[in-house]
Amino acid sequence: AQTVTQSQPEMSVQEAETVTLSCTYDTSESNYYLFWYKQPPSRQMILVIRQEAYKQQNATENRFSVNFQKAAKSFSLKISDSQLGDTAMYFCAFMKRSGNQFYFGTGTSLTVIP
Amino acid sequence: DADVTQTPRNRITKTGKRIMLECSQTKGHDRMYWYRQDPGLGLRLIYYSFDVKDINKGEISDGYSVSRQAQAKFSLSLESAIPNQTALYFCASAGGTDTQYFGPGTRLTVL
Repeated sequence: AQTVTQSQPEMSVQEAETVTLSCTYDTSESNYYLFWYKQPPSRQMILVIRQEAYKQQNATENRFSVNFQKAAKSFSLKISDSQLGDTAMYFCAFMKRSGNQFYFGTGTSLTVIP
Repeated sequence: DADVTQTPRNRITKTGKRIMLECSQTKGHDRMYWYRQDPGLGLRLIYYSFDVKDINKGEISDGYSVSRQAQAKFSLSLESAIPNQTALYFCASAGGTDTQYFGPGTRLTVL
């Protein structure tokens, strides 16, 4: 079975600063996807970034980037130049390439302080 | 317009009542999912469907049933609601990229 662990239930960051959210996962699969989703107070689940395990290059989407360490089974999210609109719950998720089930972590609540 | 829609957005019901939550997607995706979100537990998979004739149980399917009426529609039913089914319910769809796109969620309260 796959497990996804987010060890930081809550974090805060000053506006314009950089913050890193941690995620580790456990799997015996070699081919899979990793995702970060954002859930603001509106409760909508919004895709932030996606990483394919076979790609060594870390994914980047504007101010969001990941540090994917396959051997360590680590997938952290870095948010640069934090904005008030980044305040949300962030979920890390894993999906086997051969399957279609997502496995979610328990989330990290991020607050951006003005 | 939203690509994945859910109705209702909020629902309060009583123990023992039958409830149906509906989901529609306009993305042309073949795969659809129902999740439940509880505080501190993240999202857990209830049921998923790869196409109209394919329904699969997820991690927590007991007490729930689903129907895939068409490629674009996937409904979740609680035959006899109980208070511990109070939660936020999400529908999602996925296509060729395997990325799941979520609806806005339905907040269900069972009294």
